[in-house]
Amino acid sequence: EAQVTQNPRYLITVTGKKLTVTCSQNMNHEYMSWYRQDPGLGLRQIYYSMNVEVTDKGDVPEGYKVSRKEKRNFPLILESPSPNQTSLYFCASRTGTGGSGNTIYFGEGSWLTVV
Amino acid sequence: GQNIDQPTEMTATEGAIVQINCTYQTSGFNGLFWYQQHAGEAPTFLSYNVLDGLEEKGRFSSFLSRSKGYSYLLLKELQMKDSASYLCAVRRSNSGYALNFGKGTSLLVTP
Repeated sequence: EAQVTQNPRYLITVTGKKLTVTCSQNMNHEYMSWYRQDPGLGLRQIYYSMNVEVTDKGDVPEGYKVSRKEKRNFPLILESPSPNQTSLYFCASRTGTGGSGNTIYFGEGSWLTVV
Repeated sequence: GQNIDQPTEMTATEGAIVQINCTYQTSGFNGLFWYQQHAGEAPTFLSYNVLDGLEEKGRFSSFLSRSKGYSYLLLKELQMKDSASYLCAVRRSNSGYALNFGKGTSLLVTP
């Protein structure tokens, strides 16, 4: 079954304590990305990766890091989380780049609260 | 830059038809997507338009006019389970073919 798996699904953490949200896909997709979703602001892209070792900033990258050492994994790293990073996070993946109706597959989401 | 506008909320009656509009201004337009999202869940793909015209898929249809920067999602024979948020998203050929999402339209279907 085609899947994008995120962990943890729910996390409450404290300001400044480094955390990593993992994302893994089993569809051999080249493209992966991270979004955050906040009330009234919609889904906003944090970082994306076109392929292994190729990553780039999205619209709201501040306070986040990513890495793409393997095709299937794309972890999101919060080196020093702050309360304004409290949000619902989605990992997504798709095959190829553009030029067609390639469906983006979303993970189930990770609810992160920073206190 | 890009700007995607859609109504914040809509209400419709079970069995009726509802049209959710989306206007956009963007560089590098490379297709428009509609997603459905139930509260607390991941968005799920509904439709994709890259050329002008209407795409029909069961009870859902989506229309695109590139010259007007306009799309709509048409939902027919509304069911209670259609109560959800509907997200308009534009793909750009720059920035790695990223999807830019509108803020979503919350649709409430009433009996």
